[in-house]
Amino acid sequence: DIQMTQSPSTLSASVGDRVTITCRASQSISRWLAWYQQKPGKAPKLLIYKASSLESGVPSRFSGSGSGTEFTLTISSLQPDDFATYYCQQYNSYSRAFGQGTKVEI
Amino acid sequence: QVQLVESGGGVVQPGGSLRLSCAASGFSFSGYGMHWLRQVAGKGLEWVAFIRYDGTNKDYADSVKGRYTISRDNSKNTLYLQMNSLRTEDTAVYYCAKEHLGGTAGYWGQGTLVTVSS
Repeated sequence: DIQMTQSPSTLSASVGDRVTITCRASQSISRWLAWYQQKPGKAPKLLIYKASSLESGVPSRFSGSGSGTEFTLTISSLQPDDFATYYCQQYNSYSRAFGQGTKVEI
Repeated sequence: QVQLVESGGGVVQPGGSLRLSCAASGFSFSGYGMHWLRQVAGKGLEWVAFIRYDGTNKDYADSVKGRYTISRDNSKNTLYLQMNSLRTEDTAVYYCAKEHLGGTAGYWGQGTLVTVSS
């Protein structure tokens, strides 16, 4: 099974900061990677698919990059609404594993 | 707009069964694959199962294989998850989600809580 590892687990940042979250796959997943945002008590929301494609309606301050085993989610200028937990997910193989999550806090 | 409404959650004893439903509206249900995913309180996300748009292909996480069955009724725009031989570690919020481009989970419902406890 493909394992997904996110870092860091927690990230302290301020409004306006540039934030980068990393996701590593235990084997190549090409570009079959998605990023989700989840706020407390809410369902996850898809932000990025196929490593770098921005989902409709998602602000352009969010961007994704990478291929193979190394991927990043970048928030160019952190906004108050962006404090949340972020998850990566591979969908190259049937297991569709998630990373453990990165909590972005003040 | 897309709406996914899960139901059927509740409290069940270990070894018991439960069937979850997901009522879909706002899109052509029969044209999309569907996922079930879950989240233990305070923990991360886990993908559970996927069914192709026409029901001809189904995938399961190893943790539920042989115990859970995903199905759909395209005439009723409804997705199902039959859960048998439930364990305490199956306690979680269960979400259904519409397949996005390439196969990931796009739009998610708000979830239904399943508690397995004696």
